[in-house]
Amino acid sequence: GAVVSQHPSWVICKSGTSVKIECRSLDFQATTMFWYRQFPKQSLMLMATSNEGSKATYEQGVEKDKFLINHASLTLSTLTVTSAHPEDSSFYICSARDRLNQPQHFGDGTRLSIL
Amino acid sequence: TQLLEQSPQFLSIQEGENLTVYCNSSSVFSSLQWYRQEPGEGPVLLVTVVTGGEVKKLKRLTFQFGDARKDSSLHITAAQPGDTGLYLCAGPPSGTYKYIFGTGTRLKVLA
Repeated sequence: GAVVSQHPSWVICKSGTSVKIECRSLDFQATTMFWYRQFPKQSLMLMATSNEGSKATYEQGVEKDKFLINHASLTLSTLTVTSAHPEDSSFYICSARDRLNQPQHFGDGTRLSIL
Repeated sequence: TQLLEQSPQFLSIQEGENLTVYCNSSSVFSSLQWYRQEPGEGPVLLVTVVTGGEVKKLKRLTFQFGDARKDSSLHITAAQPGDTGLYLCAGPPSGTYKYIFGTGTRLKVLA
């Protein structure tokens, strides 16, 4: 149980384009989903927390107009990197939980490379 | 600032050796989770500890939550190459909805 699917797993695109990453909870309803960014050989950095049906809460230093998050249903959250640039290249990981104080379950991540 | 400091940062050992990874904070946590992450994949949950002083075992892995719920440890007995990966502790500080990740411990077990 508690499977989280993230798609795509790898994307390469040109600078200036927008990229959408999907995060789905397959066998549970995720009231809260989280988006993380991870640089090589480093720990996860929380970007934002999204609750179904409400606006995402962004961490300090994360541009909400740059990283658009939508959590329209209890099983799907999307992260759109708008007007992507090479410095946005990174490993993006989503996670989901069904209830407060329950462990988060992670997707397999999306490696984003902006040329 | 609520931080989870892990030590050591890097560890390279021979197969069959034992090791302990520490996760420390000055803040009290409602619970702590331990994850293992392999390159190019998301973290995989290993265990959750909730009660101060709690000890949980998962085959060769032993997890302990400090009495004051400010620290935790992961002990691996007779490490195997398959244990290689990035180990992360994480959890919500008490009284908050935040979820904090530790700084990570990169383990390499040589055959």
